Amino acid sequence: TQLLEQSPQFLSIQEGENLTVYCNSSSVFSSLQWYRQEPGEGPVLLVTVVTGGEVKKLKRLTFQFGDARKDSSLHITAAQPGDTGLYLCAGPQMDSSYKLIFGSGTRLLVRP
Amino acid sequence: GAVVSQHPSWVICKSGTSVKIECRSLDFQATTMFWYRQFPKQSLMLMATSNEGSKATYEQGVEKDKFLINHASLTLSTLTVTSAHPEDSSFYICSALFYEQYFGPGTRLTVT
Repeated sequence: TQLLEQSPQFLSIQEGENLTVYCNSSSVFSSLQWYRQEPGEGPVLLVTVVTGGEVKKLKRLTFQFGDARKDSSLHITAAQPGDTGLYLCAGPQMDSSYKLIFGSGTRLLVRP
Repeated sequence: GAVVSQHPSWVICKSGTSVKIECRSLDFQATTMFWYRQFPKQSLMLMATSNEGSKATYEQGVEKDKFLINHASLTLSTLTVTSAHPEDSSFYICSALFYEQYFGPGTRLTVT
């Protein structure tokens, strides 16, 4: 069974601080995606990483895919209150690349 | 582009009644749509895959007679929660597949 575990589950930080969220699995994934979800809304895709060791940057957000394609991280530099939300990693299921498995989620609160 | 809408955004119904949730792809056609369920402070759990013109496929543990899915056109899938009970109260999110999954804004269902 493919599982994606995220840590930490909850993070409360002050504006301006840096943070890293982790997404780990014992399974190899062909790709991993990161989403951000705000309360009462659907998830919004931030990035897709495909190649082992790949690093992608989206403004203050840096995403990395592990060399073995079993893990990924999201690093936010100088967090802002607008970064508050639920961060979810997701990867395609082994038996169907169209179906996604979502990680357990990391709830981030950035205090002004 | 690639916008997905859901209707209603929230609904309250009495125990024992049925409620229908619509998922529409507004600017593209989708032969495949997905229905997810999300409990408070938890991640998304895939319930079923909706295929246009054919029967939906349900994930293990999801009652197909309780959660009826109809994908009658390339832009519309509906989820009907039949004989709803308080434990069916949840946030239901759909997505439409167009190279990647595009998520709707979700529907909050409260069963009293």
